[in-house]
Amino acid sequence: DTGVSQNPRHKITKRGQNVTFRCDPISEHNRLYWYRQTLGQGPEFLTYFQNEAQLEKSRLLSDRFSAERPKGSFSTLEIQRTEQGDSAMYLCASSISGSKETQYFGPGTRLLVL
Amino acid sequence: AQRVTQPEKLLSVFKGAPVELKCNYSYSGSPELFWYVQYSRQRLQLLLRHISRESIKGFTADLNKGETSFHLKKPFAQEEDSAMYYCALSPYGQNFVFGPGTRLSVLP
Repeated sequence: DTGVSQNPRHKITKRGQNVTFRCDPISEHNRLYWYRQTLGQGPEFLTYFQNEAQLEKSRLLSDRFSAERPKGSFSTLEIQRTEQGDSAMYLCASSISGSKETQYFGPGTRLLVL
Repeated sequence: AQRVTQPEKLLSVFKGAPVELKCNYSYSGSPELFWYVQYSRQRLQLLLRHISRESIKGFTADLNKGETSFHLKKPFAQEEDSAMYYCALSPYGQNFVFGPGTRLSVLP
């Protein structure tokens, strides 16, 4: 499968714990996006990378959230001191920058904070 | 601020009937607009983009800058069109803003 992959697919954690999600983009894609989706809503932009540089962060991304893409390939999203409000589907997408940029989405990681 | 609205959470039509999924946006510049679709148990995927002016699976969408709308249309709905549809906006080279989505249900 050469599509975007995300691990784990599901995560249950207790409030206050830290969690880390991984996204592996399509190999030749230089852009990588993280979104959060809650029930009944569309994906909400969190942050994106072009190669290893984090170019934009949403105001939704509190200081408990951090994302990295150290070698311009896979990316990790860490949430520290999780809260119940962090429960959501976390989506990753990748693309090739350009005038006809198309984002390809991964299957998502569903987080439940108890 | 950039915003995308989709007024209908659920739209039900009978097979063979025309369908129109509404999308309105607010953005001061000239954004690029998209429709994404998510079929049951599948990933979110691009359906079409306004700059391509293409028809995909019989769907078309016209950008109306005066009304700031980008409605998705299909003249004859099929049962396999049942899915969640999201309208999205992207100021060129920047992040994407998605609407809340409309669930289309095509009844036999």
